[in-house]
Amino acid sequence: EIQLQESGPGLVKPSQSLSLTCSVTGYTITSGYDWSWIRKFPGNKMEWMGYISNSGSTNYNPSLKIRISITRDTSKNQFFLQLNSVTTEDTATYYCASSGPYFDYWGQGVMVTVSS
Amino acid sequence: DVVLTQTPVSLSVTLGDQASISCRSSQSLEYSDGYTYLEWYLQKPGQSPQLLIYGVSNRFSGVPDRFIGSGSGTDFTLKISRVEPEDLGVYYCFQATHDPLTFGSGTKLEIK
Repeated sequence: EIQLQESGPGLVKPSQSLSLTCSVTGYTITSGYDWSWIRKFPGNKMEWMGYISNSGSTNYNPSLKIRISITRDTSKNQFFLQLNSVTTEDTATYYCASSGPYFDYWGQGVMVTVSS
Repeated sequence: DVVLTQTPVSLSVTLGDQASISCRSSQSLEYSDGYTYLEWYLQKPGQSPQLLIYGVSNRFSGVPDRFIGSGSGTDFTLKISRVEPEDLGVYYCFQATHDPLTFGSGTKLEIK
């Protein structure tokens, strides 16, 4: 069974970078699927942030395009999110998920607070 | 960006009754290949979102047949017949037809 697990700091200072890791087990990320990052803001709003494909190409939400980078380490079967110049508006729970085209496997989520 | 408008914002339902959620899109969600990339997700309290429906009306593996998705073009509906306690949570529609991919605003289902 495919499992995803997010990890990373729960607190980030404004203007710094947010970096998260998604570790995938039960499936090799180069075998198929796209690998997405999604966040849920306080309240109910959900936002798809972007994905890295199994071939390594990326697709980002234009609202984040100048701040976001999704990369991967195929040797560790992990993919990563970096979001630069964060503000308090980036406070959210961040999820990684497999997609192709629907999100069938999700991580448990990691809550990130942006605060000084 | 495609805006998905969900109604109602919240819904209080008696166990065993039917619930219905609407999702209206600002653009047609039919892709050039003829497929409609409209999905429904449920986020139960304390859990990650889970896929219920894909391609408008296809139930994902393990999803009870009480969940029925329908619609076309810009108007979509999720019906839950015979609501059970484990159905409570926030329901989202989601479209993957147009970039960027977008979620609906969410509908919170509560049990009376």
